[in-house]
Amino acid sequence: EDQVTQSPEALRLQEGESSSLNCSYTVSGLRGLFWYRQDPGKGPEFLFTLYSAGEEKEKERLKATLTKKESFLHITAPKPEDSATYLCAVQSLGEALNFGKGTSLLVTP
Amino acid sequence: DTEVTQTPKHLVMGMTNKKSLKCEQHMGHRAMYWYKQKAKKPPELMFVYSYEKLSINESVPSRFSPECPNSSLLNLHLHALQPEDSALYLCASSQDSPGSTTNEKLFFGSGTQLSVL
Repeated sequence: EDQVTQSPEALRLQEGESSSLNCSYTVSGLRGLFWYRQDPGKGPEFLFTLYSAGEEKEKERLKATLTKKESFLHITAPKPEDSATYLCAVQSLGEALNFGKGTSLLVTP
Repeated sequence: DTEVTQTPKHLVMGMTNKKSLKCEQHMGHRAMYWYKQKAKKPPELMFVYSYEKLSINESVPSRFSPECPNSSLLNLHLHALQPEDSALYLCASSQDSPGSTTNEKLFFGSGTQLSVL
């Protein structure tokens, strides 16, 4: 059975303090690993899709990387507006997305 | 247009009421989804429609009844709900169905916050 584990559950950073969120996964036949951002009371907003080990993608202060067992979401010099819950999800062949429990990020000024 | 539109944004209903949630997308996507999300939890898949046919039903109680009138619309009919059904209900769409060879990126709506009294 596919498993997705995100850590830490919650993270508090000072503005400008870079850090990384982790998503470890066990899946038979990875079709894709997805990162989403979710603000309170809103639907998840797509950030990245990664398909194979070694792949990296960047968007503004965010950079996602993928290995055979985990993915990292690196946040460089975060700002308060980066505060949100970050969800990782994996997809295997024939299955819908399987979400992790998320990391709640708070960036303080 | 890359939006998934859900109505209403908020809904309060009693346990004897019948109500419907609506979802619309005009991206030409062939798969549409209903998710349920409780506070501080990840989204839980309820139903998937592929090409207007129900393809996945994650053992959801019969008090939730999905309907896909056409490829752009998805409804969730609610009847005799329980207080524990209070949650954020999210609709999503993707270009193709789970298991296809294309990118399965989901586009989510903003959700309907449902409270059952």
